[in-house]
Amino acid sequence: DIQMTQSPSSLSASVGDRVTITCRASQGISKYLAWYQQKPGNVPQLLIYAVSTLQSGVPSRFSGSGSGTDFTLTISSLQPEDVATYYCQKYNSAPLTFGGGTKVEIK
Amino acid sequence: EVQLVQSGAEVKKPGESLRISCKSSGYKFTSYWISWVRQMPGKGLEWMARIDPSDSYTTYSPSFQGHVTISVDKSINTAYLQWSSLRASDSAIFYCAVEYSTLSFEYWGQGTPVTVSS
Repeated sequence: DIQMTQSPSSLSASVGDRVTITCRASQGISKYLAWYQQKPGNVPQLLIYAVSTLQSGVPSRFSGSGSGTDFTLTISSLQPEDVATYYCQKYNSAPLTFGGGTKVEIK
Repeated sequence: EVQLVQSGAEVKKPGESLRISCKSSGYKFTSYWISWVRQMPGKGLEWMARIDPSDSYTTYSPSFQGHVTISVDKSINTAYLQWSSLRASDSAIFYCAVEYSTLSFEYWGQGTPVTVSS
């Protein structure tokens, strides 16, 4: 089965900073990579699908990129409301594995 | 509007059985796969299994195969996750999610907390 590895597991950054989270698949997953945001105590929400397509309503400061096995979620200017844990997920075929998560905090 | 409404919190003893539900509305139930996701306290998301509501074809994560069973009742647009014998380590929040038009988990249920304790 394909493993999804996220890094870092946590980060602390200042408001306005550019934040980058990486996700690596143990094998190629084509374009079937999604990112989710889970704020403390809340249900996960879809941010990005198909590597780089922003879900409706998601602020444009979020972006996704990558291909094959290496993918990136970028927050161009970190805002206080972005405090959350972010997960990548492969969804081309089962098992639909999540990455371990990256907890983002404000410095 | 697509909605997934899950059943309420459960408190059970080890060895007991349990079935939790996820009722869908706002879309054609048989057109999109439904998955179940576990989140243990303070931990990440774990994909458990998925089901095609049109024919009840299922796929399980190796980590959960044999310990849980997923099913649907098409007549009431509801998916189920069940255990025949709970363990304390099953204590978690369980989410259902529909693999909607984006094929990713576009819509989620509100989560069902399950506590298993003697």
